[in-house]
Amino acid sequence: DAGITQSPRYKITETGRQVTLMCHQTWSHSYMFWYRQDLGHGLRLIYYSAAADITDKGEVPDGYVVSRSKTENFPLTLESATRSQTSVYFCASSDWDSWNEQFFGPGTRLTVL
Amino acid sequence: AQRVTQPEKLLSVFKGAPVELKCNYSYSGSPELFWYVQYSRQRLQLLLRHISRESIKGFTADLNKGETSFHLKKPFAQEEDSAMYYCALGKTQGGSEKLVFGKGTKLTVNP
Repeated sequence: DAGITQSPRYKITETGRQVTLMCHQTWSHSYMFWYRQDLGHGLRLIYYSAAADITDKGEVPDGYVVSRSKTENFPLTLESATRSQTSVYFCASSDWDSWNEQFFGPGTRLTVL
Repeated sequence: AQRVTQPEKLLSVFKGAPVELKCNYSYSGSPELFWYVQYSRQRLQLLLRHISRESIKGFTADLNKGETSFHLKKPFAQEEDSAMYYCALGKTQGGSEKLVFGKGTKLTVNP
C-alpha cells in the first residue's frame, strides 16, 4: 500500500507552534480525507477534498487548515497547535466512483506538549 | 443526525467461538454501511460493504433496515481476527460525500 503515504510518522511539538502533516497518494484518486483517531471518539473527519482546489469541512475542522493545489497532495496544517490536538492523524483517499471505499495512510502520531 | 453506534468498546472471545460485533445506525436516507478493520501495526482497511453481500475472512454482515443494524459476524473466531473494528455509514449530504465512523470495537481472540 505504498500508494498513500504520510509524513512525518511521528511528531512532537509545543503549544502554539504551526505544524504541517503531509499526505501524498499516487493513484490520482479524486477524494482525499483527513481523520483524527482518539480513544473514546473513534475516527472523526477533519476535512476532505473532492478534487484539486475543492475542500470542505468535516466534523472537527476548528484549528486546522487544508489545501489541495495538486491532486496527489493534501497537507493538513495546525495553525497554532494545542494539547487537545494530540492525536493520531490518518489521511485517506478514494476514487470518484467508489468514494466510500477509502484507502488509508499509515498515520501520523502527533504529540503537542 | 447521522450516527453510528458500536455499543461495545471491548469484546473478548476464545478461539473457535462465534463472534458478533454490533453496529447500529441512524440515518433518514438509504444507507451504505461498511466495516473497516485495523490490525495491530497495520493500516485501516475496508473489510466489507453491505451492498456486495460478500464474506471476507469468514466475516459476514447483513443490513437490517428494520432494526437499523449492520452487525458483523463470524462463526469461528481466529486469533488473527484480533483487531480494531469500525462500522461506517456512507452518506451524501448536500452533494458531498462523507463516511461517519463509529467509535470502534476492539476484538481480542484468546487462544
